[in-house]
Amino acid sequence: KQEVTQIPAALSVPEGENLVLNCSFTDSAIYNLQWFRQDPGKGLTSLLLIQSSQREQTSGRLNASLDKSSGRSTLYIAASQPGDSATYLCAVDKAAGNKLTFGGGTRVLVKP
Amino acid sequence: GAGVSQSPSNKVTEKGKDVELRCDPISGHTALYWYRQSLGQGLEFLIYFQGNSAPDKSGLPSDRFSAERTGGSVSTLTIQRTQQEDSAVYLCASSLLASSGNTIYFGEGSWLTVV
Repeated sequence: KQEVTQIPAALSVPEGENLVLNCSFTDSAIYNLQWFRQDPGKGLTSLLLIQSSQREQTSGRLNASLDKSSGRSTLYIAASQPGDSATYLCAVDKAAGNKLTFGGGTRVLVKP
Repeated sequence: GAGVSQSPSNKVTEKGKDVELRCDPISGHTALYWYRQSLGQGLEFLIYFQGNSAPDKSGLPSDRFSAERTGGSVSTLTIQRTQQEDSAVYLCASSLLASSGNTIYFGEGSWLTVV
C-alpha cells in the first residue's frame, strides 16, 4: 500500500528565505507526483505536476524535483513571501487516473 | 461559474440522519472525484467517475456511502445513517480526463459536522 509522508509538518521562515518542502513515498511505481496548495477553509490548488519520466518541473518561483527510485520529491519556493503561507500537500498517482494518495501536508508560515 | 462548485458549504446533522452533498464539476470535464479530508486521516480518495464507465468505488469507507453522477455532470454523494466519525470536509474535484497529466481542480468542499 502506497504511503506518502511529508516532513516537517509545519515550518516557519522569515520573508525572503527559500523554502524547502520534502515528500517521500514508499512505492516507486507511480505515474506522476503532484504538489498542491491549500489555504485555510479552501479547496486545493494544483501547483506542479511531475510525470514519472521527468526529474523536475518549474513554475515561476516554484521548482519541484522527483527522484522516483528513492521515492522522494522536493518542492522549492524561492524568495518566500507572506502570501506563500498555506499548507502544501504532495500526492502520488499510481494508476494514471488522478486517484491520488496524499501526504499529510506541511503547514508553512512566512513571517513579514 | 468557472470552477468546481459544491453545496452545501456547511452542514450540521444529527447522528443517524442521511445527508446529500452536491458537486457541479467544471463544464466539459469528464472525470469527477470525491475525496474526504479529516483531522485524523488526512485526505483520502473516495470514488471517481469517468464518462460513462462504471465508477471506481474502491475508496468508499462503508456501504453507508454512495454516489451517483447524473447525465455525466452533477454528482451527489449520499451518506446514510451518519456517524460522528463521518465529520469531515468532503472535497469534489474534476479533470478533463481521468488520465495521467490532466490537471485536477478542486472545489472548496462541504464541511460536514455530525452531532
